[in-house]
Amino acid sequence: KQEVTQIPAALSVPEGENLVLNCSFTDSAIYNLQWFRQDPGKGLTSLLLIQSSQREQTSGRLNASLDKSSGRSTLYIAASQPGDSATYLCAVLETSGSRLTFGEGTQLTVNP
Amino acid sequence: DTGVSQNPRHKITKRGQNVTFRCDPISEHNRLYWYRQTLGQGPEFLTYFQNEAQLEKSRLLSDRFSAERPKGSFSTLEIQRTEQGDSAMYLCAAGLAGGNEQFFGPGTRLTVL
Repeated sequence: KQEVTQIPAALSVPEGENLVLNCSFTDSAIYNLQWFRQDPGKGLTSLLLIQSSQREQTSGRLNASLDKSSGRSTLYIAASQPGDSATYLCAVLETSGSRLTFGEGTQLTVNP
Repeated sequence: DTGVSQNPRHKITKRGQNVTFRCDPISEHNRLYWYRQTLGQGPEFLTYFQNEAQLEKSRLLSDRFSAERPKGSFSTLEIQRTEQGDSAMYLCAAGLAGGNEQFFGPGTRLTVL
């Protein structure tokens, strides 16, 4: 059974800092990995999707990497802003291609 | 905007009542997924459809839960005889068979008193 773990569970940083969120998964037979953002009481916004054959994806200040063999992904946020405050969720799509398995998320607070 | 809408956005009900939620994806998305998210946790898979066929159900989907997608377009999720443990955010996602990205709706927040 696939298990996804995110570390840390919560993170508080001052504005402008660069930061890294970590995600690990137990079964490397994945189709892809997605990073989502969730604001309180809201749905999920997709940030980045990395295919299993890719090593990284970039969008603006966000960069996500994937090391499938070691079962790890990182989300790098450059020059953090208060508007980045949210919960960040990592999810893997298994090779069966149906369900996403999510981690429990990292709650990020960026202080002005 | 992912094109996935869910109604209602919030539902408060008393224990023992039945509730029904609706999800409307864009017409191109032939796959539709339901997830449940409790406070402080990541979403958990419940079930998914390809067109009108329900192809997989999680063990989380007890006998009190039923989902349908009658014409391969919108989907409903019904919970019968609600319990306080059913209180959660119910998320719908949609995508393409053969594609690999799921697009999420805003969710329905259920509170069972």
